[in-house]
Amino acid sequence: AQSVTQLGSHVSVSEGALVLLRCNYSSSVPPYLFWYVQYPNQGLQLLLKYTSAATLVKGINGFEAEFKKSETSFHLTKPSAHMSDAAEYFCAVSLYNQGGKLIFGQGTELSVKP
Amino acid sequence: GAGVSQSPSNKVTEKGKDVELRCDPISGHTALYWYRQSLGQGLEFLIYFQGNSAPDKSGLPSDRFSAERTGGSVSTLTIQRTQQEDSAVYLCASSWSDSDTQYFGPGTRLTVL
Repeated sequence: AQSVTQLGSHVSVSEGALVLLRCNYSSSVPPYLFWYVQYPNQGLQLLLKYTSAATLVKGINGFEAEFKKSETSFHLTKPSAHMSDAAEYFCAVSLYNQGGKLIFGQGTELSVKP
Repeated sequence: GAGVSQSPSNKVTEKGKDVELRCDPISGHTALYWYRQSLGQGLEFLIYFQGNSAPDKSGLPSDRFSAERTGGSVSTLTIQRTQQEDSAVYLCASSWSDSDTQYFGPGTRLTVL
């Protein structure tokens, strides 16, 4: 069965610093991979997704993620953090032959210090 | 255009009561998903509808949970004889098909006293 592990339930960075949120997945077949962001009291918003095309995926708000099959990783990065990036981030996996249901990691709360 | 809407936004109920949560997907989306977000369990898949196919109920935690989707559009998640452990935010998502991006609603926060 597939699973997702997000390393670090809380990450704190200074404004302008690099953001790195880690995600490792387990899947017996090539997965689709996603990063979602959740702002307080709101639903989930898609940041980016990997569906077996380019391994470096660019998303909204300056975020990007790189699919590394050898490391079974899909880490999320942003070169320069902004205060508005403070939110909870979820990595998720789905299998193309299982109806698209998403299996989520436990989430990483990102804090940005001024 | 309009996104996924859910109602009510908040629901407080007493243990043992039944509740119904509603989801209005984006018009034209054939796939609809329910997820649950709780402190202890994180985000969990509950059930999935795709067109006229039989729903995938593999994520429902007990037989007290059921869902239906009428006319290929609106969906209702029903929880019978609610328990305190059912307290969570219930999220609905829809997509054009099961291989497309899922768009999430704002959720219904259920509190069981």
